Amino acid sequence: DAKTTQPTSMDCAEGRAANLPCNHSTISGNEYVYWYRQIHSQGPQYIIHGLKNNETNEMASLIITEDRKSSTLILPHATLRDTAVYYCIVRVTGNQFYFGTGTSLTVIP
Amino acid sequence: EAGVAQSPRYKIIEKRQSVAFWCNPISGHATLYWYQQILGQGPKLLIQFQNNGVVDDSQLPKDRFSAERLKGVDSTLKIQPAKLEDSAVYLCASSSLSGVRAEQFFGPGTRLTVL
Repeated sequence: DAKTTQPTSMDCAEGRAANLPCNHSTISGNEYVYWYRQIHSQGPQYIIHGLKNNETNEMASLIITEDRKSSTLILPHATLRDTAVYYCIVRVTGNQFYFGTGTSLTVIP
Repeated sequence: EAGVAQSPRYKIIEKRQSVAFWCNPISGHATLYWYQQILGQGPKLLIQFQNNGVVDDSQLPKDRFSAERLKGVDSTLKIQPAKLEDSAVYLCASSSLSGVRAEQFFGPGTRLTVL
């Protein structure tokens, strides 16, 4: 059973911030939220993860709500190479990932 | 460091034939996963190994799918006999045993077409 809900698709103008939302209302206290992306014909690529604090790395920022029922992935300056399917994943015990159908992000020139 | 290697990259077979996929994880990674990704869907976990032992194979169709990880390194996934609905990309991933950041590293996948 999918533990996350994401919009099917989104567009973003090149150079602007892309904000990708995710609902995970049934998340448990010890389950991490991970974000991966998959560019066409490649395997998924790790972006970022978090438990309850906001996180930032060289690729993106992750904002998790205080109740942990939702999160937002932020790509601060989207480029054409960021066009991909983005998966919000809840990591359960045993490091098992449950992928949903993801959000197809298209960056428009 | 070298990534997760998979072969072949593409395979076309007829239904009822057999097929095998190979995965070489990142050196030192104790945990290995096989996923099935049907077109338009997210990857679905088939089986998880910890070293050479199975941690979870609850979603593996055991009547036709089998997997092994001899010596806790390379792994093979086999389908026998294949059905049309097995057409998908088969992804292999690995992760290290320790550390909070136990991210999974994915290989490029094997695209299987069953005719």
